[in-house]
Amino acid sequence: GNSVTQMEGPVTLSEEAFLTINCTYTATGYPSLFWYVQYPGEGLQLLLKATKADDKGSNKGFEATYRKETTSFHLEKGSVQVSDSAVYFCALIRAAGTASKLTFGTGTRLQVTL
Amino acid sequence: DAGVTQSPTHLIKTRGQQVTLRCSPKSGHDTVSWYQQALGQGPQFIFQYYEEEERQRGNFPDRFSGHQFPNYSSELNVNALLLGDSALYLCASSLRAINTGELFFGEGSRLTVL
Repeated sequence: GNSVTQMEGPVTLSEEAFLTINCTYTATGYPSLFWYVQYPGEGLQLLLKATKADDKGSNKGFEATYRKETTSFHLEKGSVQVSDSAVYFCALIRAAGTASKLTFGTGTRLQVTL
Repeated sequence: DAGVTQSPTHLIKTRGQQVTLRCSPKSGHDTVSWYQQALGQGPQFIFQYYEEEERQRGNFPDRFSGHQFPNYSSELNVNALLLGDSALYLCASSLRAINTGELFFGEGSRLTVL
């Protein structure tokens, strides 16, 4: 079946540090890949996505590239801010017709300090 | 434009009781999915509703059931509650005709079973 593996947290960084959160996946075919973010007290929000190999998703300074050869979708940001503190979830969708479900990783908590 | 709304936000039940959680999808969306997020884990797919029918189901027992109404809102029912059912229950909506895999999540209903 489909699965997503994320690096375990928490990840603690100082403001302006470089961020990488690793994500690898197992899936048949050609899934679409996502990063969702959950800020404290809020619901999950889509951060970025990529739908095919070598696509780069980007949003709010975050980037991730769909690497089919390594089955990875690592999240990066060049300079984190305190406001980026949240839990980040890597996810994939393997559409089955028009009924599709997201498979999530376990999440990585990021804490950014001044 | 209202996003996904869920109620109640918090509730406490005892083992063996039954619970009903409610969800109103984002305006214009016709598909509702439910996820269970245990503490420290990623969301797990429970089921998805479209046109008032369950279209896809995850690996959850029959104690978990749902319903979708003509106005696209949805309910999640859990019978014979177990301690292990304690979790954040997330509702997500989407538009079936645009199957990008992007879901819009509510803030969740946190269920505690004592």
